[in-house]
Amino acid sequence: EAGVVQSPRYKIIEKKQPVAFWCNPISGHNTLYWYLQNLGQGPELLIRYENEEAVDDSQLPKDRFSAERLKGVDSTLKIQPAELGDSAVYLCASSLGRGRFNEQFFGPGTRLTVL
Amino acid sequence: AQSVSQHNHHVILSEAASLELGCNYSYGGTVNLFWYVQYPGQHLQLLLKYFSGDPLVKGIKGFEAEFIKSKFSFNLRKPSVQWSDTAEYFCAVNAIDFNKFYFGSGTKLNVKP
Repeated sequence: EAGVVQSPRYKIIEKKQPVAFWCNPISGHNTLYWYLQNLGQGPELLIRYENEEAVDDSQLPKDRFSAERLKGVDSTLKIQPAELGDSAVYLCASSLGRGRFNEQFFGPGTRLTVL
Repeated sequence: AQSVSQHNHHVILSEAASLELGCNYSYGGTVNLFWYVQYPGQHLQLLLKYFSGDPLVKGIKGFEAEFIKSKFSFNLRKPSVQWSDTAEYFCAVNAIDFNKFYFGSGTKLNVKP
């Protein structure tokens, strides 16, 4: 079974430029998560989807970050414009659902460098 | 805000030594608990999980963790580490009421051969 797929794996951009990350979750997983991981820190939730609905986006900086999950499968996270402080690893994870089905499977992440 | 504390940021052990990594959380409600591992160059993988029942949970590769509700702790243990256990370990707590996950800052384990 294929795991969570993310692309690109690495991205280098200049500040003020836009950037987008793509995630394809494990087939059948209804819940999708986007996390931000800074160096030396654990993942911090940006947004959680249940199917196509964003059920928790309280930590998403909505002035510059946006996300979508069309048809409840793939998801895209966008930053526009990027700032120096956005340099981090962006992780996507998916799970079957809630309760005993909330074990998360993580993708390899996208390492973003903003110059 | 809820928090997960991993007090050991960097641990260095020799092979065959015993390991215990601490994890404490602040959420007072019902929780699911997880330990994830990230080997060098790889993505986060589940090591073990606690949902309910026996507070002593066994995971892959000889790891185990004990949930002590009164201490809000979920410490990870392994009786004898191997060089291949060199990795970063993350404790995670799911606050059931909100279905929200909180991760600790991680512990880097370096096992000397």
